[in-house]
Amino acid sequence: QKEVEQNSGPLSVPEGAIASLNCTYSDRGSQSFFWYRQYSGKSPELIMFIYSNGDKEDGRFTAQLNKASQYVSLLIRDSQPSDSATYLCAVNMIGNSGYALNFGKGTSLLVTP
Amino acid sequence: DGGITQSPKYLFRKEGQNVTLSCEQNLNHDAMYWYRQDPGQGLRLIYYSQIVNDFQKGDIAEGYSVSREKKESFPLTVTSAQKNPTAFYLCASSKGATSQETQYFGPGTRLLVL
Repeated sequence: QKEVEQNSGPLSVPEGAIASLNCTYSDRGSQSFFWYRQYSGKSPELIMFIYSNGDKEDGRFTAQLNKASQYVSLLIRDSQPSDSATYLCAVNMIGNSGYALNFGKGTSLLVTP
Repeated sequence: DGGITQSPKYLFRKEGQNVTLSCEQNLNHDAMYWYRQDPGQGLRLIYYSQIVNDFQKGDIAEGYSVSREKKESFPLTVTSAQKNPTAFYLCASSKGATSQETQYFGPGTRLLVL
């Protein structure tokens, strides 16, 4: 079974701090990694994607990928109360469903004023 | 205004009834997907389609059916064989179905059983 694991949280950080969200995956052959944000009752929206080992920065967000450790993370700098949401890690794995996205259960982030 | 639309926003199903959820996209995307999300759970793939007139089962296809007669449309039918249909249903699309394609989601349909 190909799995994507995330700590469910909630992860609570004060406003202005760095939030660190982590994700591990089981399939060593995975090639593409995505972070989605989901507000309560809404659909997921894409934050970032990363394909290569190392860091990728986009504004206040940084995605980090370490394929050897099968680990991907998302850092949110200068966290704002509006960042409070569930963050879903998705990994593109080859399986019975072709190139399907496998999702973790998500980490709930709470940014306190 | 490009995007993915799903209707209805809420849907109520009676015992033994089949219901159909609509998904339309005007992004000219080839691939479309249906996911189910239960409270506190990640998304699970029901069906996906890489091209018109072709579709494949995902991890939890039992009790569901789909069609892909047009590039823009990928309706999902929840049949009476699906014994626990209450969930949030999400439709997504991507430009292609390769490993690096990003999937974009519609607003979702919440299905409730009466």
